[in-house]
Parts: sequence; structure tokens; C-alpha cells
Amino acid sequence: NAGVMQNPRHLVRRRGQEARLRCSPMKGHSHVYWYRQLPEEGLKFMVYLQKENIIDESGMPKERFSAEFPKEGPSILRIQQVVRGDSAAYFCASSPPRLAGGPYTGELFFGEGSRLTVL
Amino acid sequence: QKEVEQDPGPLSVPEGAIVSLNCTYSNSAFQYFMWYRQYSRKGPELLMYTYSSGNKEDGRFTAQVDKSSKYISLFIRDSQPSDSATYLCAMSATRDGNTGKLIFGQGTTLQVKP
Repeated sequence: NAGVMQNPRHLVRRRGQEARLRCSPMKGHSHVYWYRQLPEEGLKFMVYLQKENIIDESGMPKERFSAEFPKEGPSILRIQQVVRGDSAAYFCASSPPRLAGGPYTGELFFGEGSRLTVL
Repeated sequence: QKEVEQDPGPLSVPEGAIVSLNCTYSNSAFQYFMWYRQYSRKGPELLMYTYSSGNKEDGRFTAQVDKSSKYISLFIRDSQPSDSATYLCAMSATRDGNTGKLIFGQGTTLQVKP
């Protein structure tokens, strides 16, 4: 059973270019989350998506960043007109549907991350 | 002030030592407390989960939550070189329990020397 798959693992972009990061959740998981890890900082929540819906985007920067999780295919985190401050590791995580009344364990299954470097 | 404070270390201990890792937090709405382990260049993986206050033990690992002090701990007994990793505390408020919106500490880097 494959885990959360992220690609590319490493991406180099020049300032002003676009970065697209892809994430395929674990089989059977319908919830996808994106987190960003800046150097010397912890993981920061960005967005939570279910198929074709953005549930919580309270951690997304207001400009240049967008995310989607289409009915078919992987989730995409898109960063337009990248700047050097966007250099970070971007982690995708997934979780299974939570059964009504079922326990919440806080377990997110993380991918190995996509490391973006902006020159 | 950050919502969750965690000493980044690094913390270096000899094999077999007892390790104590800690986080403090400021948001009294946090109800779910987790410890994730992250090996270098890998994604985090869940180690321990605790709801509200109390202790939880799993093998060599014990998680403690003291909500009155807004303080959580992870203890590792008989530490092994394979425990060398970054340990991240994470928390979630009840209202966010369904969203996977976790607030992470900065992470403590642990090195266990043989």
C-alpha cells in the first residue's frame, strides 16, 4: 500500500516563475492537507481539501498561492511568481474519512515533501 | 509569542539514557496533543497521541499532558541511536479536530550516541 506520494521531490525556480507541487494521498484517503516547513521553523498549516472542495485555507498566503484537489488526479499546490521567501519544504498529508462519532487521533500521513528552492 | 514553544536543541545523549522532550503552549482551547518524529529529509510520522490531560505509554515512549500548566512532555526510555531524529509536538483545538489543522512546535533535534 503506497504511502503519500509527492512530486517533484526537489524543484528549483527563478524568481517570478511558477511552481506546481503534486500530491497523491494514500489509497482510501479523501482528506488532503498542505503544510510548509521553513528553515529553522516548524510545520505551518496551509490548507485542507477534500475532493473538489477547499475546506479550510486559513493558512494560505492571500496572494500567489492556490490549491486544488480535483475529482480525478492528484492535489496541486500552485505558487505563482515565486520569491526567495517561498523557498521551503512543502509537505502533503492525508487522512481517511472520519467515521461519524468516531475517534480523532490526530494522525496525518505525511509524504516525504517537495523542496522548493527559489534562485 | 508563538502558540507552541519548543526548544530546538540539539539534544545529545548517550545510548540508554532517558530523554525528556517538552513543549509549552498558550491556547487553552487545545484538546488534542501529539508527538511526531521526523527523520532527516523525510516526512513526519505520528508517535503518540493524547486527548486532554493525562499520561499515555507505548513501549519505551511516554507522553504526558498537563493542561493546567499548558505543558506537554515526551519521555524516551533506554534511548537508541535509531531514535536520533527531530521530534515535533503538535496540537489541535476541539473545533479543528475534524480539519487536521495541527499547530506544530519548532521541533527538537535529538542525537543518541552509541
